[in-house]
Amino acid sequence: EVQLVQSGAEVKKPGESLRISCKASGYTFVNYWIGWVRQTPGKGLEWLALIHPGYSDTAYRPSFQGQVTISVDKSTRTAYLHWNNLKASDSAIYYCVRHSTTSKWSPGGFWGQGTLVTVSS
Amino acid sequence: EIMLTQSPGTLSLSPGESATLSCRTSQTLSSTFLAWYQQKPGQAPRLLIYAASTRATDIPDRFSGSGSGTDFTLTITRVDPEDFAVYYCHQYGTSPPGNFGQGTRLDIK
Repeated sequence: EVQLVQSGAEVKKPGESLRISCKASGYTFVNYWIGWVRQTPGKGLEWLALIHPGYSDTAYRPSFQGQVTISVDKSTRTAYLHWNNLKASDSAIYYCVRHSTTSKWSPGGFWGQGTLVTVSS
Repeated sequence: EIMLTQSPGTLSLSPGESATLSCRTSQTLSSTFLAWYQQKPGQAPRLLIYAASTRATDIPDRFSGSGSGTDFTLTITRVDPEDFAVYYCHQYGTSPPGNFGQGTRLDIK
């Protein structure tokens, strides 16, 4: 059974850095694209970035390029999303999502439980 | 970027009625790259339909998808009480990872 277990809720101040995580199990980690989707009341669902653990290839939504960094640790089967300089507008629920198939052009078939990030002074 | 516009914003129905949800894309999209998700309060979205008309694993057959070009539809025949949720369309055919529509809320009338 595919499972994506995300790290817990975070409360941070503007300007701080943060890394949230997603531990995958139940499938061959290096074969599937995995990424992050955020959800806010104002903008709904937005894909931020994707990564292929086997190829170390990444794809970022243009508006998030340079704002976040996606990475993986193959040894622990964990995906990460990292911020260097948080803003209040980064407050959202962040979902870890694995593609349904091994293709880059695939919908999000498996979702983590979500990580609530709150950025406030 | 392909924009997705969903309508209506809210649909109020009684259990047993049929629901028709629309997703219109700003450019022609191959039906291979259109998906639908269901999201209930406090839960992550769940994949219902991919490639416009293929049901994902364990999705009941009262959910069906159709469409091509710029107009896509999610139909729920005989809405069940557990179907009241928000539904999102998603295009994943350009500029991965693609983007979502703004959602349609299906409410109990």
